[in-house]
Amino acid sequence: NAGVTQTPKFQVLKTGQSMTLQCAQDMNHEYMSWYRQDPGMGLRLIHYSVGAGITDQGEVPNGYNVSRSTTEDFPLRLLSAAPSQTSVYFCASSYSRTEKLFFGSGTQLSVL
Amino acid sequence: DAKTTQPPSMDCAEGRAANLPCNHSTISGNEYVYWYRQIHSQGPQYIIHGLKNNETNEMASLIITEDRKSSTLILPHATLRDTAVYYCIVRLADDKIIFGKGTRLHILP
Repeated sequence: NAGVTQTPKFQVLKTGQSMTLQCAQDMNHEYMSWYRQDPGMGLRLIHYSVGAGITDQGEVPNGYNVSRSTTEDFPLRLLSAAPSQTSVYFCASSYSRTEKLFFGSGTQLSVL
Repeated sequence: DAKTTQPPSMDCAEGRAANLPCNHSTISGNEYVYWYRQIHSQGPQYIIHGLKNNETNEMASLIITEDRKSSTLILPHATLRDTAVYYCIVRLADDKIIFGKGTRLHILP
């Protein structure tokens, strides 16, 4: 099992560019989520999904879109990157809503 | 907002037990308490979770008060590798898993 795989590990964008952060898990987990972590801060929930075809907003959803067309994948899209979106992004998954989360290794994003 | 309250930082001497407190006074009857830790900039790592009873695994023990309004994570013999940020979270009824700022634990040699 590869667990939760995030790509890329590092990315630099210019303001206004768009990109997609990829997240994939091979554990047949129903629950997936995206967090961002700013320096010295805790994790803030962006979007989450309780199953294929179902997504919902977290604490800080503005500027981000998600979709869940398959159980395995949960991509995070930045439509028009802004410097305020410079952060480390973590994807997580769990078998069900009451089970423990498994985290990816993170994507470090810089928006210039 | 996170439904838990933790001290921002704590120190513990190497080899001693580290006791990390967490308040979750608004917890509902079917909500679990989870603990995770984050070492440097890695993804958080699951430690332990519980509902009502005390729990123990190879990493730690979790003590939950009888009224379930608070809990304590115990690392029985802290080592320098336990230096990390520890997060106590409660799963909300609508499936949002909200992390607070956690407790930064410093293990002192």
